[in-house]
Amino acid sequence: AQSVTQPDIHITVSEGASLELRCNYSYGATPYLFWYVQSPGQGLQLLLKYFSGDTLVQGIKGFEAEFKRSQSSFNLRKPSVHWSDAAEYFCAVGARSSNTGKLIFGQGTTLQVKP
Amino acid sequence: GAVVSQHPSWVICKSGTSVKIECRSLDFQATTMFWYRQFPKQSLMLMATSNEGSKATYEQGVEKDKFLINHASLTLSTLTVTSAHPEDSSFYICSARVAGQGRYGYTFGSGTRLTVV
Repeated sequence: AQSVTQPDIHITVSEGASLELRCNYSYGATPYLFWYVQSPGQGLQLLLKYFSGDTLVQGIKGFEAEFKRSQSSFNLRKPSVHWSDAAEYFCAVGARSSNTGKLIFGQGTTLQVKP
Repeated sequence: GAVVSQHPSWVICKSGTSVKIECRSLDFQATTMFWYRQFPKQSLMLMATSNEGSKATYEQGVEKDKFLINHASLTLSTLTVTSAHPEDSSFYICSARVAGQGRYGYTFGSGTRLTVV
């Protein structure tokens, strides 16, 4: 079955420190890959996506993610975290063959930033 | 950019009553709308997919008679939770596909916090 796993439910980092949020997927073929951020009580904002090509993807707000086919992973990184990055982060996948464009979301990782 | 306005942002209702949540695309036509449910500290679970002018397609396990979805126009989709009960309390989010941005070009509403007492 298709699934997305975010192994870390909660991560705390100090402001200015680097960040890596993990995402692993289980899929029949390489899916489309996404990272979204959700601030408390808000909808989701797309940070970045991977469809094909360069496996290192740059996104908004200084985030990047790297697709590693051998590890079925799409980890999100940021070299220096700001307090405003505190939020919930969701990894999601979509089937290349899908006509509906459905997304499957991971469980989410809550990021807390210490001053 | 494409904006989806979702209202209300929060609502408290009595058990047994119905609640309607609206999602409006403000500056684009939303041919497809997705409705999600999110429990605290959990992921988004797709409830249904609606296409303008057609009946919604519900995910397995979602009661279509309880969660009524209407997508009568290209700019408005509604979710009505009928005969709400405390277990329906949740965060509901809509997502609209933006034309010209591909199958996965979405914009999300800001969500509705429903509390049933």
